[in-house]
Amino acid sequence: DAGVTQSPTHLIKTRGQQVTLRCSPKSGHDTVSWYQQALGQGPQFIFQYYEEEERQRGNFPDRFSGHQFPNYSSELNVNALLLGDSALYLCASSLAGTGARWETQYFGPGTRLLVL
Amino acid sequence: AQTVTQSQPEMSVQEAETVTLSCTYDTSESDYYLFWYKQPPSRQMILVIRQEAYKQQNATENRFSVNFQKAAKSFSLKISDSQLGDAAMYFCAYYSGGSNYKLTFGKGTLLTVNP
Repeated sequence: DAGVTQSPTHLIKTRGQQVTLRCSPKSGHDTVSWYQQALGQGPQFIFQYYEEEERQRGNFPDRFSGHQFPNYSSELNVNALLLGDSALYLCASSLAGTGARWETQYFGPGTRLLVL
Repeated sequence: AQTVTQSQPEMSVQEAETVTLSCTYDTSESDYYLFWYKQPPSRQMILVIRQEAYKQQNATENRFSVNFQKAAKSFSLKISDSQLGDAAMYFCAYYSGGSNYKLTFGKGTLLTVNP
């Protein structure tokens, strides 16, 4: 049973550039959430995608955008990179639509982004 | 807005002993879920234990148990018979469900297990 996978594992960019991070959800899952984890901090919610739509968004600027594909995989795009965007970006997948109030989120290993 | 506070940036425990990690949270909701996640150096966030707020009974998972005090908005994690593999960053997280799908995390507690 394949878990959540993310690519790439590490990435180095310079200020002003754009970056795309990718996530494949756990087998059978249809929902993808993205979190940003700065060094020494807990993860912060960026947004969640379900049925190819952004279902909820956290307190992040429009430079952060995403997409979900028909196969449920997802991309996180960040434009005009700032030094402060350096962080570990975590993807979590879950299964929605079960009627349950709680949807267990399973995390991937993350992508470490360094902006110089 | 919900907030989660972990007041212990670092904790250490001797192998085979017991340690308790603290977490408090703030919410106006009456129905919600609380979690402890473990993040080892491999970075992958792993769910350790979950507690539904409507349940009075404290959750347990093998060597891991919680002390959930709803009135005090406190949610501590007890690790019994600590093992070297328990060394990791531990995050307390809150989830209200319904139309709010995000996990709100604390800043974490780094647990060191000494042999």
